[in-house]
Amino acid sequence: SAVISQKPSRDICQRGTSLTIQCQVDSQVTMMFWYRQQPGQSLTLIATANQGSEATYESGFVIDKFPISRPNLTFSTLTVSNMSPEDSSIYLCSAGQGMTQETQYFGPGTRLLVL
Amino acid sequence: QKEVEQNSGPLSVPEGAIASLNCTYSDRGSQSFFWYRQYSGKSPELIMSIYSNGDKEDGRFTAQLNKASQYVSLLIRDSQPSDSATYLCAVSLGGSYIPTFGRGTSLIVHP
Repeated sequence: SAVISQKPSRDICQRGTSLTIQCQVDSQVTMMFWYRQQPGQSLTLIATANQGSEATYESGFVIDKFPISRPNLTFSTLTVSNMSPEDSSIYLCSAGQGMTQETQYFGPGTRLLVL
Repeated sequence: QKEVEQNSGPLSVPEGAIASLNCTYSDRGSQSFFWYRQYSGKSPELIMSIYSNGDKEDGRFTAQLNKASQYVSLLIRDSQPSDSATYLCAVSLGGSYIPTFGRGTSLIVHP
C-alpha cells in the first residue's frame, strides 16, 4: 500500500488568508484525491487531482476557492483560499491503488483552524 | 440519490464479544465495497475490501456482502478495547471508481 505524507499536520490561520497543503506519495499513483472531514462527520470529496490536467471538482467546490496542483504522479497540493472560520476542518489527501484505483489510502491529514 | 447509509451508533459491546457493523447502499449495480477504521484524531485506514457475494475473512474481521439486499456488513470477532473506533463503509456507486463513504459507526468495546 502507498505511504502518504502531508504537510503541515496542523495550522491556525487568520480569516482572509490562504493555506497550501502538500501531499507526497512514496510511489507513482494515477489517482489522488482531496477530502474534507468536519468534526463527527464523514469524508466529503473535494476533488480528484489529475496529473497533467485540471482537477475535477465535486458539486459545491470550486477551483477559485480550492485550487489544486498535480505536477507529477507522486505529489499534489491543495490551497484553501480566502479562508473563513467555516473552512476549519481536517483536510485529507488520498491515493487510489488497485486495478481500478478504487482502494484508497489516506495521508495523516491537516487540521486547520481559521480564526 | 446515490447513498451509503450507516447507523452512527455508538455500538457498545463487551470485550470478547462479536461486533456487527452494518451498511446499506442505494445502487444495485455497485461492485466494490470497502471497510475503513478511523481512530479518533487519525485518518481512515483500510481494513478490507469485498467484491463478491458471501463472506470474506481476514483474521478477526469478516466482511459479508449481499448484493441482492444491497447490504454489506463487518463482523469483528473477539472484540478488544483497541477496536474502539469509527468504522466507515465505502461503496463505489453507479460504476464510479471513486467510493462514496458512509457517515461511519462508532464502536466502543468496554472491558
